[in-house]
Amino acid sequence: DTGVSQNPRHKITKRGQNVTFRCDPISEHNRLYWYRQTLGQGPEFLTYFQNEAQLEKSRLLSDRFSAERPKGSFSTLEIQRTEQGDSAMYLCASSLEGSPGNTIYFGEGSWLTVV
Amino acid sequence: QKEVEQNSGPLSVPEGAIASLNCTYSDRGSQSFFWYRQYSGKSPELIMFIYSNGDKEDGRFTAQLNKASQYVSLLIRDSQPSDSATYLCAVNEGGYSGAGSYQLTFGKGTKLSVIP
Repeated sequence: DTGVSQNPRHKITKRGQNVTFRCDPISEHNRLYWYRQTLGQGPEFLTYFQNEAQLEKSRLLSDRFSAERPKGSFSTLEIQRTEQGDSAMYLCASSLEGSPGNTIYFGEGSWLTVV
Repeated sequence: QKEVEQNSGPLSVPEGAIASLNCTYSDRGSQSFFWYRQYSGKSPELIMFIYSNGDKEDGRFTAQLNKASQYVSLLIRDSQPSDSATYLCAVNEGGYSGAGSYQLTFGKGTKLSVIP
């Protein structure tokens, strides 16, 4: 079990640029989540995949945010036309459907700084 | 709007003491409750979860749940300086089987400082 892997770990970008983060979930997990965390706050849910289907995306922060999970394996989160308010840690998590409590496990996070 | 409330702290306890962290939630439909530990600059790490009223123990950690009062707590016995971190309470509607809501709602966390 190698855990949830995210990259890049840190990204500094200029306002208006697009950024993409990648997440590789725990290998046997079929559920994948994206959360965002800003300083002093708990993680905030963004979107959820079960296998390759994106079952919840209404919580994505704006239409500049999109996520994909082709073939139900890794996932990408893209932010277009970044704004300074997008600066945060973007967390990917995964879980196994039917596991006790549907416990989710987080990756190490991807820090985004928009300058 | 589902809410999870935690005292932000900081909560300071001496080494070896019991640290008590509290959390209340607004949604009576919530069924699963989680405690995560987060070190500064790192991602949340699962400590334990609870879904039945009462106590659940795992090593030095004990989670307590009272659904009638919509209250969940985490006790850390024999606190160590390495326990110094922010503790996040999270709630979802899914039961033990994982059915139901997939979305965790987090509190803002309580910062714990264990003084040597």
